[in-house]
Amino acid sequence: RKEVEQDPGPFNVPEGATVAFNCTYSNSASQSFFWYRQDCRKEPKLLMSVYSSGNEDGRFTAQLNRASQYISLLIRDSKLSDSATYLCVVNVWGGSQGNLIFGKGTKLSVKP
Amino acid sequence: NAGVTQTPKFRVLKTGQSMTLLCAQDMNHEYMYWYRQDPGMGLRLIHYSVGEGTTAKGEVPDGYNVSRLKKQNFLLGLESAAPSQTSVYFCASIQGNTEAFFGQGTRLTVV
Repeated sequence: RKEVEQDPGPFNVPEGATVAFNCTYSNSASQSFFWYRQDCRKEPKLLMSVYSSGNEDGRFTAQLNRASQYISLLIRDSKLSDSATYLCVVNVWGGSQGNLIFGKGTKLSVKP
Repeated sequence: NAGVTQTPKFRVLKTGQSMTLLCAQDMNHEYMYWYRQDPGMGLRLIHYSVGEGTTAKGEVPDGYNVSRLKKQNFLLGLESAAPSQTSVYFCASIQGNTEAFFGQGTRLTVV
């Protein structure tokens, strides 16, 4: 089982749609969790951290379920500019890859 | 505050040539990473460092060497470049449980 798994997509949605991405992680020692956004061939940029209590930033809502080892990202009222690849990232203290574990990313394409 | 800076941003190499990519961070982070990303694929870890003077292999270390002589710098070397090393290279750094900060990437073409 991969350490961090995401649905690769692509997710093709119309403008205004609500879209949800899921991510599962296998290491129960995982400490912190993030969603990153990556535009084509550019560096990943932090979208938001993910907390057990859930957190919201405008149209974006992130949730963490430690019991199920599951992270989600919800995007409401999708914009054309939301088209990108969304990476789930887990920080595992003392992990095999120096703490940072990346999912392969989920590609989102928002159409007019 | 520059964050993470990679140099160079672009490079074309001939097969067999060598080069060094520099990653510099000014945030006093302990952990630094080198990734490569090929078209349509995710980030793959090449090497990483958990502190000055230490390095470790990642998922795809063959053909690369690294050094971390100073805490703020993490160097990635290609001793004898091959076309299979054509890729975009990203450097990142973190401190503890915080988020990762990335450099802008180096686009390397080996012909």
